[in-house]
Amino acid sequence: AQTVTQSQPEMSVQEAETVTLSCTYDTSESDYYLFWYKQPPSRQMILVIRQEAYKQQNATENRFSVNFQKAAKSFSLKISDSQLGDAAMYFCAYVWWGSQGNLIFGKGTKLSVKP
Amino acid sequence: KAGVTQTPRYLIKTRGQQVTLSCSPISGHRSVSWYQQTPGQGLQFLFEYFSETQRNKGNFPGRFSGRQFSNSRSEMNVSTLELGDSALYLCASSSPGGVALPNTGELFFGEGSRLTVL
Repeated sequence: AQTVTQSQPEMSVQEAETVTLSCTYDTSESDYYLFWYKQPPSRQMILVIRQEAYKQQNATENRFSVNFQKAAKSFSLKISDSQLGDAAMYFCAYVWWGSQGNLIFGKGTKLSVKP
Repeated sequence: KAGVTQTPRYLIKTRGQQVTLSCSPISGHRSVSWYQQTPGQGLQFLFEYFSETQRNKGNFPGRFSGRQFSNSRSEMNVSTLELGDSALYLCASSSPGGVALPNTGELFFGEGSRLTVL
């Protein structure tokens, strides 16, 4: 079965510092995509960053970057220069390319940012 | 471009009733997915529609159903409500993709419909 595990239910970071959120997944597929989604208290989930499994280069989006270790099935998110607006639930998600809309989400990590 | 719109935002029902939730996707998006979010189970996939056809279905009982209209708007229905159906129901749309194209999985979510079953 395909699963996504986020082992850190809650994390805290000081404003302007760096924090890393962990995610591991299990799959026997070779073609898939991985995502980090952010859900602020207003509840609308937005995409933070996306990684194609066939790409060796780690994805980056401004202050957000990932460490994708395909062999280890690990996909961590690094947030640099943390801002108060980064406080939210972060969900790691996986989708097999042949699936239709069926993203598999981890349980989420609640990130708090201290001023 | 308007985002994904879900209505109603909040609703309260009693056990045994049924409920219909509506979702209007981003203009041009033909795929609509539905997810149930609860504190205990997290986010779970309900079903996905593309061009009025259900392409994929999660592991939910038959009380949960959905449909998609020709304008890509979608509705989901839950019949004979149970206390455990209390949840945030999220709708998400994605760029066309197409039957023959892989699903890249980038979803655009609505704010959700918060259902409370008493």
